[in-house]
Amino acid sequence: NAGVTQTPKFQVLKTGQSMTLQCAQDMNHEYMSWYRQDPGMGLRLIHYSVGAGITDQGEVPNGYNVSRSTTEDFPLRLLSAAPSQTSVYFCASSYSTSGNSDTQYFGPGTRLTVL
Amino acid sequence: AQSVSQHNHHVILSEAASLELGCNYSYGGTVNLFWYVQYPGQHLQLLLKYFSGDPLVKGIKGFEAEFIKSKFSFNLRKPSVQWSDTAEYFCAVNARAGAAGNKLTFGGGTRVLVKP
Repeated sequence: NAGVTQTPKFQVLKTGQSMTLQCAQDMNHEYMSWYRQDPGMGLRLIHYSVGAGITDQGEVPNGYNVSRSTTEDFPLRLLSAAPSQTSVYFCASSYSTSGNSDTQYFGPGTRLTVL
Repeated sequence: AQSVSQHNHHVILSEAASLELGCNYSYGGTVNLFWYVQYPGQHLQLLLKYFSGDPLVKGIKGFEAEFIKSKFSFNLRKPSVQWSDTAEYFCAVNARAGAAGNKLTFGGGTRVLVKP
């Protein structure tokens, strides 16, 4: 299994541009999520999905959209990039869709810089 | 809402020294507790987790953590660190039941530098 994959690894955008960060998993996990990592703040949840066609907001959803048309893919869209969105973005997945001890598996991350 | 605090932002120590990283959480219900590690240039990996039973949990690479319910703490320990333990360590919690989604709340992380 490839696990959780993310593309691209690095991206530089100008303010106002839009883009999509890709995330895919091959473990047949129902739960997928996006986090952003900023120095000293740990990881903060942006959006999550408990299955195809079902998404919901996390802690910091503003400026981001998601969709889940298949179990495998969970893309994150930046509608109009802002410098405050400069961050490292991680996608994660797990089998379980409700709070328990199920391990979440993380992708390698996308480092995004917005100028 | 849940919150997690990690007391130390940076820790520097020498090889063979003992390591203890503090983690406290705030939540009114029952939680599951995790420690993740991020080695330089790599993605997050699970070190260990607690959900029930023995409050002393052993993980990979010689790490262990103790859940003290009365103190809302889940401190990570390793008796003797190696240079390869240089990494950033994150404590995380999720609500045990009733919440939709498997949402993790993370602490701010602790950067550990082990000097050879």
